[in-house]
Amino acid sequence: EPEVTQTPSHQVTQMGQEVILRCVPISNHLYFYWYRQILGQKVEFLVSFYNNEISEKSEIFDDQFSVERPDGSNFTLKIRSTKLEDSAMYFCASSGGLAGYTFGSGTRLTVV
Amino acid sequence: KQEVTQIPAALSVPEGENLVLNCSFTDSAIYNLQWFRQDPGKGLTSLLLIQSSQREQTSGRLNASLDKSSGRSTLYIAASQPGDSATYLCAVIGSGGGADGLTFGKGTHLIIQP
Repeated sequence: EPEVTQTPSHQVTQMGQEVILRCVPISNHLYFYWYRQILGQKVEFLVSFYNNEISEKSEIFDDQFSVERPDGSNFTLKIRSTKLEDSAMYFCASSGGLAGYTFGSGTRLTVV
Repeated sequence: KQEVTQIPAALSVPEGENLVLNCSFTDSAIYNLQWFRQDPGKGLTSLLLIQSSQREQTSGRLNASLDKSSGRSTLYIAASQPGDSATYLCAVIGSGGGADGLTFGKGTHLIIQP
């Protein structure tokens, strides 16, 4: 069964550093997403991406965040200057429309 | 703004019992509803997807129903097993379809006692 692949599985970074989280969505899916889950809290929507541009973004997705599809397979989330409160599990997902969402296994980001 | 509530927050039952997890949402204008399973520290595994025009979906021992007009969905698990222990998440997508993000509930933490 097709999978969404995320790397790395765990990243530790110093406050103020830039991080890039990587995802390979399912190849024939059209919509790509990033979500985050702070420990013990709900999964929260960050951004959706379609046709090489942002479709929707939440209020969480401020100027320190950016997304990119640099080639035909990868989808990245960049956090420019990490803060302690950015520590969370970040999930990439993709959707082909009617089939619903497929999520990756997540990247646990720890900001120290 | 869409709000999703799941009841109960936690549930512990002996193996073999049938159980029902509840999900409610405040805005009935949804595109679809999806149930996920999350194991500790892991990703989300899709269990069932119900389109807004559908009333229920079944997969093995799982059955999910949707009553869009009342803003409710239930996930029925038959003959529960210890391997069913996990957190079950309900999520809805707005009427905008693929562009909209999923809105999740906090989940029901389920423990099945052997």
